[in-house]
Amino acid sequence: GAVVSQHPSRVICKSGTSVKIECRSLDFQATTMFWYRQFPKQSLMLMATSNEGSKATYEQGVEKDKFLINHASLTLSTLTVTSAHPEDSSFYICSARDDDHEQYFGPGTRLTVT
Amino acid sequence: GDSVTQMEGPVTLSEEAFLTINCTYTATGYPSLFWYVQYPGEGLQLLLKATKADDKGSNKGFEATYRKETTSFHLEKGSVQVSDSAVYFCALRSGGSYIPTFGRGTSLIVHP
Repeated sequence: GAVVSQHPSRVICKSGTSVKIECRSLDFQATTMFWYRQFPKQSLMLMATSNEGSKATYEQGVEKDKFLINHASLTLSTLTVTSAHPEDSSFYICSARDDDHEQYFGPGTRLTVT
Repeated sequence: GDSVTQMEGPVTLSEEAFLTINCTYTATGYPSLFWYVQYPGEGLQLLLKATKADDKGSNKGFEATYRKETTSFHLEKGSVQVSDSAVYFCALRSGGSYIPTFGRGTSLIVHP
């Protein structure tokens, strides 16, 4: 089956710094990728839809200047959390959509901001 | 809008017990229905799906039947194992959208 990877799997950063999370589709091309945020014991919250070669579409309430998304190629999307604060600590999950519109999820990235 | 309601957890069972996790939905048209599983510290994996009424999705001993008359997609397994301990998410995807709507998730804990 289709595989999506995320890097890093865990990251700890200091408050005020920026951190980049990568999402790659390993064996298929994805013109569309999605970024989700998951709070403890809660469901996934869609943050934004990432489209290759164009600007991301952000969900209501998500700060686009804080969560920068770049979909530079058909197999890579990045999420950069800028000027991170402890409240940004969360589990971030990406997914990639294939040509049949099926979504495949990455393993997630645990971000801890100290 | 679309919504998915799952039974609250955690669901705690002994090994080899029968499992049911209820899921009901509200959607316009004829959505596709999914169950995803999330093991501790990992992302979501598609467990099974059904795309039309009366379809039964199955995988790894889990089953769910798309019931349009009751707008339900309950997950069942006849004999659970400790390794099934995870969080299970019911989701739907309406024909007009390629973005799934997730339920809140149900935690399953299986004791030896």
